[in-house]
Amino acid sequence: AQKVTQAQTEISVVEKEDVTLDCVYETRDTTYYLFWYKQPPSGELVFLIRRNSFDEQNEISGRYSWNFQKSTSSFNFTITASQVVDSAVYFCALSEASGTYKYIFGTGTRLKVLA
Amino acid sequence: NAGVTQTPKFRVLKTGQSMTLLCAQDMNHEYMYWYRQDPGMGLRLIHYSVGEGTTAKGEVPDGYNVSRLKKQNFLLGLESAAPSQTSVYFCASSHGTEETQYFGPGTRLLVL
Repeated sequence: AQKVTQAQTEISVVEKEDVTLDCVYETRDTTYYLFWYKQPPSGELVFLIRRNSFDEQNEISGRYSWNFQKSTSSFNFTITASQVVDSAVYFCALSEASGTYKYIFGTGTRLKVLA
Repeated sequence: NAGVTQTPKFRVLKTGQSMTLLCAQDMNHEYMYWYRQDPGMGLRLIHYSVGEGTTAKGEVPDGYNVSRLKKQNFLLGLESAAPSQTSVYFCASSHGTEETQYFGPGTRLLVL
């Protein structure tokens, strides 16, 4: 059965620290997609990244980077030199070909960046 | 280009009342979705639509109905609201099933 686990409920860091948000997924499909979304205090859901199961290259976008490892079924998200504006809830999601690509969300990780 | 919009932003209902939440998208997306977000539970899919005139049940469909009469609109109805339906409701849309879903700003619903 498909499942997404974000074991870190809440993380607090001091500004400029690096922080990694963990995402572990379960799927039997060979074709699937993984996503990260950010939900700032204002409440909207902001798309950050989409990764397909055939592309294990890590990705970097500014201070954000993602580490996709199929061997450990993980898709972790790192923020380098965190800023107060990074404070938000971050969701990881999985969509599978066999599930008609419906999203399965993790329960989210609340990141607090302290000045 | 407004993306995905939701109406209303906030609503208070009494138990047993009915209401309709409206979602509109201007990206010409085929697929539309309704989710609810509850504390500690992430987002759960209520209903979705793969095209105009079609709808399907998601993970938590009970107590809700939907309609997709126009491609750009997806309506979520509560016929008889219950306190358990107090939640934040998000609409999303995408080009295809495997494509990225883009979310609306959410509707906060409180059922007393």
